[in-house]
Amino acid sequence: SQTIHQWPATLVQPVGSPLSLECTVEGTSNPNLYWYRQAAGRGLQLLFYSVGIGQISSEVPQNLSASRPQDRQFILSSKKLLLSDSGFYLCAWSGSLGLAGGYEQFFGPGTRLTVL
Amino acid sequence: AQSVSQHNHHVILSEAASLELGCNYSYGGTVNLFWYVQYPGQHLQLLLKYFSGDPLVKGIKGFEAEFIKSKFSFNLRKPSVQWSDTAEYFCAVNTGYSTLTFGKGTMLLVSP
Repeated sequence: SQTIHQWPATLVQPVGSPLSLECTVEGTSNPNLYWYRQAAGRGLQLLFYSVGIGQISSEVPQNLSASRPQDRQFILSSKKLLLSDSGFYLCAWSGSLGLAGGYEQFFGPGTRLTVL
Repeated sequence: AQSVSQHNHHVILSEAASLELGCNYSYGGTVNLFWYVQYPGQHLQLLLKYFSGDPLVKGIKGFEAEFIKSKFSFNLRKPSVQWSDTAEYFCAVNTGYSTLTFGKGTMLLVSP
């Protein structure tokens, strides 16, 4: 069966420091991968998605970047964190045909990031 | 760009009460519709989905939703809620690409 992992689970970082959040998926190949940010009362905001290695689509221009160095690995990064980057970050995956192919998105446990 | 509107941010019900959570979307073409639920301390998980066919969709734990194309709506219902239904509920829309647009969520609190 497929599983999705995110780490770390929680992170407290000072303003201006770098960030690296990792997401890995097991039990499937060539998944579509997604990064969301969830803020209380604001739902889920799609940040990045990837349909293959090295292919990244950015939905919201901001202080963050994403990379997909391996088929089942998706990394969210920042060179210098801002206070506004605080939030709950969720990684998700779907089948390679994506939602149009009838596949749902499966979500990871998330990372709670606090920038001080 | 498509958008999703959930009418209620917070809903408080007593056990055995009926539930209906509203969801409207803005997109004139073919849509795939989803309801996700996030129980306290747990992953976001799929409750039900609509891709085509019968507009009345049944999901897990006794939930159902009805797709009304003319009203651009996909409301979630449950005839009798339980304390364990306390959670945050998200409506989401996909319009053919590989991405979902989520509503802002509705926090449901069921009192025993």
